[in-house]
Amino acid sequence: KQEVTQIPAALSVPEGENLVLNCSFTDSAIYNLQWFRQDPGKGLTSLLLIQSSQREQTSGRLNASLDKSSGRSTLYIAASQPGDSATYLCAVDQVVGGYQKVTFGTGTKLQVIP
Amino acid sequence: GAVVSQHPSWVICKSGTSVKIECRSLDFQATTMFWYRQFPKQSLMLMATSNEGSKATYEQGVEKDKFLINHASLTLSTLTVTSAHPEDSSFYICSARGRRYEQYFGPGTRLTVT
Repeated sequence: KQEVTQIPAALSVPEGENLVLNCSFTDSAIYNLQWFRQDPGKGLTSLLLIQSSQREQTSGRLNASLDKSSGRSTLYIAASQPGDSATYLCAVDQVVGGYQKVTFGTGTKLQVIP
Repeated sequence: GAVVSQHPSWVICKSGTSVKIECRSLDFQATTMFWYRQFPKQSLMLMATSNEGSKATYEQGVEKDKFLINHASLTLSTLTVTSAHPEDSSFYICSARGRRYEQYFGPGTRLTVT
């Protein structure tokens, strides 16, 4: 059974700081990995998608890496801003028994202090 | 990017009644949609995978007779919570699968059962 863990569970940083969020998964047979942000009481916003054959993806101040063999992904946020405050979730995508299955991580709650 | 809508965004119902939640992919066809629920301060948990024209695949521990899923067309899936009880109160989120197996999420539906 796939298990996805995110460390740390919560993080508080001053504005302007660079930071790294970690995601680890136990089964490396994944199809892709996505990073999302979730604002309180809201749905999910997709940030970055990394296919299993890729090692990283970049979008603006965000950079996500994937090391499938070691079961790890990181989300790097450069020059953090108060608007980055949210919960960040990673999710891995697999095909299990012929069906697609997505497993979410436990989330990292980020607070960027002005 | 692809857009997924959910309706209603918020619903309050009395215990014992049934509630239907709609999930629509607005600008693309989705052969597969997913339903998740999220309890406060917890990550999303997959409830079921909905495939157009066939029966939904439910995750272990999810009562298929209580959470009825119908995927009648390539752009619409519905989740009906039958005989709702207060413990069914939760945030329900749907997603639709894109061509690269990426997930596009709806904004979520907050269900409160009194």
